[in-house]
Amino acid sequence: AQSVTQLGSHVSVSEGALVLLRCNYSSSVPPYLFWYVQYPNQGLQLLLKYTSAATLVKGINGFEAEFKKSETSFHLTKPSAHMSDAAEYFCAVSGEGTYKYIFGTGTRLKVLA
Amino acid sequence: DTGVSQNPRHKITKRGQNVTFRCDPISEHNRLYWYRQTLGQGPEFLTYFQNEAQLEKSRLLSDRFSAERPKGSFSTLEIQRTEQGDSAMYLCASSLDQADTQYFGPGTRLTVL
Repeated sequence: AQSVTQLGSHVSVSEGALVLLRCNYSSSVPPYLFWYVQYPNQGLQLLLKYTSAATLVKGINGFEAEFKKSETSFHLTKPSAHMSDAAEYFCAVSGEGTYKYIFGTGTRLKVLA
Repeated sequence: DTGVSQNPRHKITKRGQNVTFRCDPISEHNRLYWYRQTLGQGPEFLTYFQNEAQLEKSRLLSDRFSAERPKGSFSTLEIQRTEQGDSAMYLCASSLDQADTQYFGPGTRLTVL
């Protein structure tokens, strides 16, 4: 069965600093991997997705993620944090059977002025 | 395209009452998914439809839960005899096909008193 582990339920960075949110997955088939962002009382917005094409995936708002099969990781990065990046971020895996998403528990990003 | 819409956005009910939520997917999307998100957790899969057929139900979906998608367009999720443990955000998502990206609605937040 597929699973996702997000290390660090809370991450704080200074404005302008590097953002690194960690995601490790488990899958018995080539996975599809996703990062979503959720602002308070809102639904999920897709940041980026990996579907077996380029291993370095660029998304919206300056975010990118690198698929590393050997490490079973799909970490999310952004070179310079902005106050508007403060939100909760979810990593998800899909690809087995029904293509339902299996989500991690999320990482809440706080950006300090 | 206006995206996935869900109604109501908020619902407060007393324990034991029945509630029904509606989801309108992006037009022409064949697949429709329901997820439940509790505080501090990632969304958890409940069920999905391909057109009007309900093809999978999670074990989280007890007998008190029922979902329908008549005519393969909008979907409803009904919870009978609500319990306090049903309090959560209920998210709907749709996709064009099984491997396509799922687009999420804003969610319905249920509070059971």
